[in-house]
Amino acid sequence: DAEITQSPRHKITETGRQVTLACHQTWNHNNMFWYRQDLGHGLRLIHYSYGVQDTNKGEVSDGYSVSRSNTEDLPLTLESAASSQTSVYFCASSLAGPGAEQYFGPGTRLTVT
Amino acid sequence: GDSVTQMEGPVTLSEEAFLTINCTYTATGYPSLFWYVQYPGEGLQLLLKATKADDKGSNKGFEATYRKETTSFHLEKGSVQVSDSAVYFCALSESYGQNFVFGPGTRLSVLP
Repeated sequence: DAEITQSPRHKITETGRQVTLACHQTWNHNNMFWYRQDLGHGLRLIHYSYGVQDTNKGEVSDGYSVSRSNTEDLPLTLESAASSQTSVYFCASSLAGPGAEQYFGPGTRLTVT
Repeated sequence: GDSVTQMEGPVTLSEEAFLTINCTYTATGYPSLFWYVQYPGEGLQLLLKATKADDKGSNKGFEATYRKETTSFHLEKGSVQVSDSAVYFCALSESYGQNFVFGPGTRLSVLP
């Protein structure tokens, strides 16, 4: 069965370190998205991609970067982790086109100490 | 820009009670509307969706009708179970794009 996976599921890191969160989908979806979920803020879009070599900034992109070298993967990199980036991160994917539902991964809980 | 408003809760009900979670939206054009559910420690799962006015989405006893005249997509269930305890998110898909706008989520607790 097709799925979307994230790794690691839990990560503790120190302030200033570079961290990469992995997202892999086997749906063969063109679109991929990264969100963060924080109490009181719901889901906020960090970055998104509509296809290979395409990346775009979302509403809370500062301090994060992504690259899309193939259809299946969209890794999220925190260049220099900050305590404000402690959060739960969700990756999602969808087919191209308006109205396409998004499929979510299980999430990565990141703690920056 | 597009936005989604929903009651934030928490909502606490007894088992077999009737559930309504209100959701209203602001959007240009004709968005698609969704309800997602998030169980503790998990990602979001699609619960139901509707793509045009007057459509009714339904799944697992939950229903919601796309009401363009009131810009609403309220979630209802006739008889909730303890296993329905979760956070519910209303969302829209932009008419002229491919991104989603999510509401803040409503936490539901169902007591036996």
